[in-house]
Amino acid sequence: LAKTTQPISMDSYEGQEVNITCSHNNIATNDYITWYQQFPSQGPRFIIQGYKTKVTNEVASLFIPADRKSSTLSLPRVSLSDTAVYYCLVGDGTGGFKTIFGAGTRLFVKA
Amino acid sequence: NAGVTQTPKFRVLKTGQSMTLLCAQDMNHEYMYWYRQDPGMGLRLIHYSVGEGTTAKGEVPDGYNVSRLKKQNFLLGLESAAPSQTSVYFCATIDPDRAGTEAFFGQGTRLTVV
Repeated sequence: LAKTTQPISMDSYEGQEVNITCSHNNIATNDYITWYQQFPSQGPRFIIQGYKTKVTNEVASLFIPADRKSSTLSLPRVSLSDTAVYYCLVGDGTGGFKTIFGAGTRLFVKA
Repeated sequence: NAGVTQTPKFRVLKTGQSMTLLCAQDMNHEYMYWYRQDPGMGLRLIHYSVGEGTTAKGEVPDGYNVSRLKKQNFLLGLESAAPSQTSVYFCATIDPDRAGTEAFFGQGTRLTVV
């Protein structure tokens, strides 16, 4: 299973763009990269998923370079409500798959 | 469509007591997982199941047992609770027929063992 490395914490201000980078040097060919968001006292919530290049949805963008050894979650114009912990995971969802969460990145958005 | 529902939401146990946490899902997903999350930490996998009647150990299985008698339910048991098992427990499901790792989580069970 690919191990991921993320910054422990980040601070930002409202209205700024936030980029959180995750390293996954041992990513396998079949692995996808998935990001989750977790608010206090809640379960993690799926944000975005990608395999290569760029993926964008209504919440975020995910940038994946050609070698796929890292990925960057981009949150445009953050607000106070984006203060949360963000987890980067890699895996392929096939038989025997185990979702491994690291400590995540604590994002604190200030007014 | 409730998604993933955990019962109970809160519980206080005395050391040595037993209890069962229930995870119920209505999404017809094959894969189900139990995690624990300690304060300020990420989630750690306790046990998981890839289908009805199957279970497997995760990272931290000691002190816990699980059962998946029905596809929609995944039970987590504590036979003799210890203070070290004080944590927030999350259940999650994944549909393996969809590529990738989009998991759906319950709202959590906050367990305190005194």
